[in-house]
Amino acid sequence: RKEVEQDPGPFNVPEGATVAFNCTYSNSASQSFFWYRQDCRKEPKLLMSVYSSGNEDGRFTAQLNRASQYISLLIRDSKLSDSATYLCVVNIGGYQKVTFGTGTKLQVIP
Amino acid sequence: EAQVTQNPRYLITVTGKKLTVTCSQNMNHEYMSWYRQDPGLGLRQIYYSMNVEVTDKGDVPEGYKVSRKEKRNFPLILESPSPNQTSLYFCASTRTGDTYGYTFGSGTRLTVV
Repeated sequence: RKEVEQDPGPFNVPEGATVAFNCTYSNSASQSFFWYRQDCRKEPKLLMSVYSSGNEDGRFTAQLNRASQYISLLIRDSKLSDSATYLCVVNIGGYQKVTFGTGTKLQVIP
Repeated sequence: EAQVTQNPRYLITVTGKKLTVTCSQNMNHEYMSWYRQDPGLGLRQIYYSMNVEVTDKGDVPEGYKVSRKEKRNFPLILESPSPNQTSLYFCASTRTGDTYGYTFGSGTRLTVV
């Protein structure tokens, strides 16, 4: 089993739709979690950290489920500019062992 | 402006010709790391450094070397590049501590022919 798994997509959604991505991780010792956004051939950029209590930033909501070992990202009212690949990142801490998922591609359609 | 600077952005080289990709950060971050990104494989860690003179292997270190003589710089060295090292490379840095995400450089697209 991969350490971090994501559905590669693509997810093709119309503007204004709500879309959710999940990411599962295998190491129960994982301590911190992030979502990154990557536009084609560019560097990944931090979208948001994921906290145990869940967190929201505008149209974006991130959740963590430690019992089932997954994190999720919900995007409401999708915009064309949300089209990108979303990377799930898991850190088991200590020695800064960070693992990236392969990403989920989102295409928002007019 | 807080940033991670990589150079060069694009590089085409021949098999066996030593090269260095530079990485510099201006945020006084302790932790720096190199990744390569290949289609279908995502980002894979090559080497990382917890601080000056402290480096360790990531998941795919074969064929690469690094050094960390100064806090701000973390060059990636390919002593004898081969075609299977053709990839998109990213340098990243962060403060040590679990709740901080990475800042990435703009990437280096390397082609080895």
